[in-house]
Amino acid sequence: AQTVTQSQPEMSVQEAETVTLSCTYDTSESNYYLFWYKQPPSRQMILVIRQEAYKQQNATENRFSVNFQKAAKSFSLKISDSQLGDTAMYFCAFMMSSGGSNYKLTFGKGTLLTVNP
Amino acid sequence: NAGVTQTPKFRILKIGQSMTLQCTQDMNHNYMYWYRQDPGMGLKLIYYSVGAGITDKGEVPNGYNVSRSTTEDFPLRLELAAPSQTSVYFCASTFGRGAEAFFGQGTRLTVV
Repeated sequence: AQTVTQSQPEMSVQEAETVTLSCTYDTSESNYYLFWYKQPPSRQMILVIRQEAYKQQNATENRFSVNFQKAAKSFSLKISDSQLGDTAMYFCAFMMSSGGSNYKLTFGKGTLLTVNP
Repeated sequence: NAGVTQTPKFRILKIGQSMTLQCTQDMNHNYMYWYRQDPGMGLKLIYYSVGAGITDKGEVPNGYNVSRSTTEDFPLRLELAAPSQTSVYFCASTFGRGAEAFFGQGTRLTVV
């Protein structure tokens, strides 16, 4: 079974600084997709960034970038120039086919990030 | 553009009662998922569907049932509610195959 592990339950960072959230996953497959979702206090889940396993280039979206290490099964999220609005729960997620077109989406336990002024 | 709509937003059930959580999406997504979110436990997959008429169990299916008679709707049924089912429930949909998942606003359910 695919598993996603986020080893940091909580983190904090000062405004304008950089922070990295960790995520590891377990799979024997070679074709899969990885995501980071953000859940602010409003409870709405928002996609931050996604990565396709067959692409070696790390994805970036403005201040957000990932460090994808396929051999190590690691997918960390780097937030640069942290802003107060980045305060949220961050979930790492993994999507893989469990047979044919049967795509299951699995989440980690989340990391609560607090950005301090 | 409604996206994914969940109803109700809040509900209090008594032990042993039953209810259905509704989920509707208007994006013509084949894939739909139900998750429960408990503090410190992340999102756990209850059931998912890859298309109308096709459903499959996730990590924590016990105590729940689903059906998918149309592409748009994916209701989650709780039979004989138990305090362990107190949680926030999220419905999500996606085109699948690495596409972004869209989530409803969640349903906060309390079983007393």
